[in-house]
Amino acid sequence: AQKITQTQPGMFVQEKEAVTLDCTYDTSDPSYGLFWYKQPSSGEMIFLIYQGSYDQQNATEGRYSLNFQKARKSANLVISASQLGDSAMYFCAMRERAGNQFYFGTGTSLTVIP
Amino acid sequence: DTAVSQTPKYLVTQMGNDKSIKCEQNLGHDTMYWYKQDSKKFLKIMFSYNNKELIINETVPNRFSPKSPDKAHLNLHINSLELGDSAVYFCASSQLNSPLHFGNGTRLTVT
Repeated sequence: AQKITQTQPGMFVQEKEAVTLDCTYDTSDPSYGLFWYKQPSSGEMIFLIYQGSYDQQNATEGRYSLNFQKARKSANLVISASQLGDSAMYFCAMRERAGNQFYFGTGTSLTVIP
Repeated sequence: DTAVSQTPKYLVTQMGNDKSIKCEQNLGHDTMYWYKQDSKKFLKIMFSYNNKELIINETVPNRFSPKSPDKAHLNLHINSLELGDSAVYFCASSQLNSPLHFGNGTRLTVT
């Protein structure tokens, strides 16, 4: 089974609107971390936000927030007030406490329309 | 001050050649990784070292050999390059409970 599933290969959003990128995960480890990364066309991988499995509150970092629904095993990224510079690939990832490996989803390509 | 640096940024070579990619991190992390990103942007773990010891070795051809002289360095050597090896290779490092910190990637093109 896939550890991380991102079902949206591509998304479009109007500038200044909010957008939600979906991510579901699969683990039996009670302790894990969830991460989102941005990869612009220049190619570098940029860490955006982290959510721990025991965190009671949803993580927020500036315009990024993580909608963490533990029972549904989902960790959706919400980008508010989209900007043209948000156009990029976005990857969801998970790390289980039991291992050193980070599992990545297949990514979502986000295009912000002016 | 670059946290994870890998060189070279671009590598163009012919089939059959041997090449190396170097990676260094100054974050003091214990664990380093090599990932391969294919043309569809899928990120696949190749290797992981923790304090110079190999801990993850995914199904990768024997032509790929990682070497970690110390915990701050993890190099990747590739023998007998094939067309299918063309990809972007990312080095990364992490510490327990920290995010994965990536280098800027090496775009390998085999002709």
